[in-house]
Amino acid sequence: EVQVVESGGGLVQPGGSLRLSCAASGFTFSSFSMSWVRQAPGKGLEWVSSITGSGGNTYYADYVKGRFTVSRDNSKNTLWLQMNSLRAEDTAVYFCGKASAAAGLNAIDYWGQGTLVTVSS
Amino acid sequence: EIVLTQSPATLSLSPGERATLSCRTSQSVSSYLAWYQQKPGQAPRLLIYDAFNRATGIPARFSGSGSGTDFTLTIRSLEPEDFAVYYCQLRYNWLSITFGQGTRLEIK
Repeated sequence: EVQVVESGGGLVQPGGSLRLSCAASGFTFSSFSMSWVRQAPGKGLEWVSSITGSGGNTYYADYVKGRFTVSRDNSKNTLWLQMNSLRAEDTAVYFCGKASAAAGLNAIDYWGQGTLVTVSS
Repeated sequence: EIVLTQSPATLSLSPGERATLSCRTSQSVSSYLAWYQQKPGQAPRLLIYDAFNRATGIPARFSGSGSGTDFTLTIRSLEPEDFAVYYCQLRYNWLSITFGQGTRLEIK
């Protein structure tokens, strides 16, 4: 059974840092791109970042570029999101998701339950 | 940057009725469009990929169509469990992703 489980969320002050983790199981992790998507309280879905299966290519939304870094360790089936210089507007539930087996990069077919990041003083 | 605009923002219907949700892109795109359903407190669930392909386990009452700049998600006969928020999503520029703002489907 495919599972992705996020962890690492919490309360952090503006300007601070946080590292999110996503543990994956039930599929060949290295074969799939992975993405981070966030959802501010009461708002819609917002793409944050993606990384190819090998980890060789990374992509970021403009509003996190230069502050967030996505990485992965295929030997540990783990995805990370390092978040620096956090702002109040980064407050959201952060989901990790697996690229679709059928649609490739075009869709996310498995999602974790999310981890809440709150940026506040 | 490509912008996805969903309409209507809220759709009020009764069980058994047909729902038609729209997603319009700001420029003509390849059919790399997906649709998701999200219920309160839950992660999104993939319904449709590549504009018209149903994801694994998705009931046949869900269908996707469209091309160019106009895409549609149709739910043929609403079941009580279908009332949720629906998002469209597009991949472009290799691996940039964007979502529409969502349509809330509520019970009338």
